[in-house]
Amino acid sequence: EAGVAQSPRYKIIEKRQSVAFWCNPISGHATLYWYQQILGQGPKLLIQFQNNGVVDDSQLPKDRFSAERLKGVDSTLKIQPAKLEDSAVYLCASSPAGGPNQYFGPGTRLLVL
Amino acid sequence: DQQVKQNSPSLSVQEGRISILNCDYTNSMFDYFLWYKKYPAEGPTFLISISSIKDKNEDGRFTVFLNKSAKHLSLHIVPSQPGDSAVYFCAALRNTGNQFYFGTGTSLTVIP
Repeated sequence: EAGVAQSPRYKIIEKRQSVAFWCNPISGHATLYWYQQILGQGPKLLIQFQNNGVVDDSQLPKDRFSAERLKGVDSTLKIQPAKLEDSAVYLCASSPAGGPNQYFGPGTRLLVL
Repeated sequence: DQQVKQNSPSLSVQEGRISILNCDYTNSMFDYFLWYKKYPAEGPTFLISISSIKDKNEDGRFTVFLNKSAKHLSLHIVPSQPGDSAVYFCAALRNTGNQFYFGTGTSLTVIP
C-alpha cells in the first residue's frame, strides 16, 4: 500500500511570494489533515477535511492560507503572501473512517527568506 | 494553549537499558493517546496507542502506561536499541472531530 505522498519536499521562497504544496493521501482514506511543524515544536493542525468538506480550520490563518480538496482525494495548501514566520515543515496526514491513527507523509520543508 | 506537554526535550540511554519517555496532558476529555516516532526528513510514524479506558498497552519492546488521575502517560522501550534513536511525539485525540494535539517531542539517543 502506497503511503501519503507530498510534493515538493523542499521549497525556498522570498517573503511576500506565493507557494503551494500538494498531498495525495492513502487510497480510501476519507480524512485528510494539514499540519504545520515549526522547528522545536510539535505538529499543529491547520485544517482537516472529511472527503471534500472542511471539518476544522479554526487554526488556519485565513488571511494568507487556503486549502482545498476538490474531489475528496488529493489536496493543495497555499500560502499567499508568505511571511518569515511561515518557515516550517508542512505535514499532510490521512486516516481511514473511524480509525484513531493518522498516517503522515514525509512533509514539505519551507524556508521563507 | 499547550494541552499536551513533553517536558524533556532530550534523553540519552545506553543500548540494552530501558528508555522512559513522559507526557502530560490537561484535558480529561481525551479518548486516545498515541506515540509517534520521527526520523529526520521523514514524517511521523505511528508506534503505539492506548485508549483512555485502559491503563497499559504492550507491543513487543514498547509499552505505554496511562495514569488518568495524574493526566500522565509514559512510553517504555525495553531493551533500547540504537535504531530507536529518533524524536518521539505524544499525541492526544478526542473522538469528536478527530483532532490530534501533539506534544513538543523528546529526542531519544540510544548509545551503542
